[in-house]
Amino acid sequence: KAGVTQTPRYLIKTRGQQVTLSCSPISGHRSVSWYQQTPGQGLQFLFEYFSETQRNKGNFPGRFSGRQFSNSRSEMNVSTLELGDSALYLCASRRTGQLKETQYFGPGTRLLVL
Amino acid sequence: KNQVEQSPQSLIILEGKNCTLQCNYTVSPFSNLRWYKQDTGRGPVSLTIMTFSENTKSNGRYTATLDADTKQSSLHITASQLSDSASYICVVSAAGNTGKLIFGQGTTLQVKP
Repeated sequence: KAGVTQTPRYLIKTRGQQVTLSCSPISGHRSVSWYQQTPGQGLQFLFEYFSETQRNKGNFPGRFSGRQFSNSRSEMNVSTLELGDSALYLCASRRTGQLKETQYFGPGTRLLVL
Repeated sequence: KNQVEQSPQSLIILEGKNCTLQCNYTVSPFSNLRWYKQDTGRGPVSLTIMTFSENTKSNGRYTATLDADTKQSSLHITASQLSDSASYICVVSAAGNTGKLIFGQGTTLQVKP
């Protein structure tokens, strides 16, 4: 069974640009969560999608948005990029999103904003 | 405020030695606590998950303990190997919150030969 895949793996953008990251969950998983990881802040929750609906949201500005498609694939968009958006963006999937389910993480997309 | 704090921030041990990582949390109401291992450049991998009623869980050489009264957890690594070098992240989930997890800053472990 294929794991969680994320594309692209690396990305370089400049301030003010916008970026879209993609995540394909494990087959059969309907819950996809997104996280930002930086050396200073550690892992921080961005949002979770389940069956194409945003179910939960972290404390990030509106420049961060996401969506989920009917095949459970998810995209995350960051508009008007800032230097501080440089980070590793991880997505994780689980079957239904119930509390005790294990989350499976993808390898991440490393974003560098210049 | 829901928080998860881990200690130490970093740790260096010799191969074959044991070590214990600590996690204190203030998340309430508590649902479950997970330990993840994250190798450099890769996504975290789940090691253990424990609910309120579980006070110990093992996964090979990794043993996690949970004291829900004092809101503390520990991850004990036995007979460390070079491949144990990684960041170990404690994650707590609040009851009633289906997707949002509160992450600790992690402990970076380096195992030297």
